[in-house]
Amino acid sequence: ETGVTQSPTHLIKTRGQQVTLRCSSQSGHNTVSWYQQALGQGPQFIFQYYREEENGRGNFPPRFSGLQFPNYSSELNVNALELDDSALYLCASSLAGRVNSPLHFGNGTRLTVT
Amino acid sequence: KNEVEQSPQNLTAQEGEFITINCSYSVGISALHWLQQHPGGGIVSLFMLSSGKKKHGRLIATINIQEKHSSLHITASHPRDSAVYICAAPYSGGGADGLTFGKGTHLIIQP
Repeated sequence: ETGVTQSPTHLIKTRGQQVTLRCSSQSGHNTVSWYQQALGQGPQFIFQYYREEENGRGNFPPRFSGLQFPNYSSELNVNALELDDSALYLCASSLAGRVNSPLHFGNGTRLTVT
Repeated sequence: KNEVEQSPQNLTAQEGEFITINCSYSVGISALHWLQQHPGGGIVSLFMLSSGKKKHGRLIATINIQEKHSSLHITASHPRDSAVYICAAPYSGGGADGLTFGKGTHLIIQP
């Protein structure tokens, strides 16, 4: 059983650029959720994908978008990067489309925007 | 949106002490999660509970659905328990979406 893997582990981008972060879900998990964790804060819910459709979104602007693929892996895309987008981005996978199943987290991608 | 509050934010204790971390939430939920985060960012799921109590080793989690309150207890604490403990509830109370997290409790257990 493979765990949740995220890539890259670290990334440095310039303000205004675009970035794509990737997440491979745990084997058999069909739901992926993405979170942003600023330094010293708790994670903030960005959105969740279930069976390739977005089925929940937090308070993030449209320049945060995502995809889920048939193999349930997922991407987080952020356009027009801002300095405040610097954070640890975490993905978590679970089974089914509900939050009642245990979550498995990746180790995150640390994004720095300069 | 569910609001999740945790206390205390920081806790330093001596090895062997009994630890309690509290969590309250604003919207009725179907399940609450307790998570552990170590330096470097990795998050591990400790418990997911919807009623009563769960125990795993020296960790015990309880929840009172009516009072919208949960606690995480650590018995016979050890320096390796030092980490950030986070509770999380469904973003909108239930259904198919993500989680709202508390700000976390930074626990340090001194030898």
